[in-house]
Amino acid sequence: AQSVTQLGSHVSVSEGALVLLRCNYSSSVPPYLFWYVQYPNQGLQLLLKYTTGATLVKGINGFEAEFKKSETSFHLTKPSAHMSDAAEYFCAVRDDKIIFGKGTRLHILP
Amino acid sequence: NAGVTQTPKFRILKIGQSMTLQCTQDMNHNYMYWYRQDPGMGLKLIYYSVGAGITDKGEVPNGYNVSRSTTEDFPLRLELAAPSQTSVYFCASMRAAVPPGELFFGEGSRLTVL
Repeated sequence: AQSVTQLGSHVSVSEGALVLLRCNYSSSVPPYLFWYVQYPNQGLQLLLKYTTGATLVKGINGFEAEFKKSETSFHLTKPSAHMSDAAEYFCAVRDDKIIFGKGTRLHILP
Repeated sequence: NAGVTQTPKFRILKIGQSMTLQCTQDMNHNYMYWYRQDPGMGLKLIYYSVGAGITDKGEVPNGYNVSRSTTEDFPLRLELAAPSQTSVYFCASMRAAVPPGELFFGEGSRLTVL
């Protein structure tokens, strides 16, 4: 069965520092992978997705993620954090259903 | 362009009551989903549908029912509400499965069972 593990329920970084949010998955078939962001009192918005092809995927707001099959990982990065990046981030995997991880809340320190 | 619309946004139920959360999308998407979100637990899939007349269970279907009589509507029914069903519920839709498109989410329905 497919599953998603996000390491760290809370991550704090200083403004301007590198953002790294970790996601590992398990899937019985080649996966489709996603990162979504949720701002307070809102639904989720797609940041980026990996389906096939290039393993480094660029998304909105300067985020990117790299699919590493050998490590079953899909970590999300951003070179320089901004205060507006403070939100909750969810990794998701799809083979027959779309399953979400438990989420990582990103805090940006001034 | 309304996207995915959920009603109601807030509701308080007494234990044992029943209610239906409504979800409508105007994007002609075949795939629709219901998730519940609890603090620290992420989103759990309750039910999903791949088209009108077709529904299937997700990770946490107990205590819920769905129907999909039209492409646009995917209501979630709670029978005999319990405190464990206190949660925020999100409906979502997607255009295609292969390759998967973006999930479009509604704004959520906050349900409290007392």
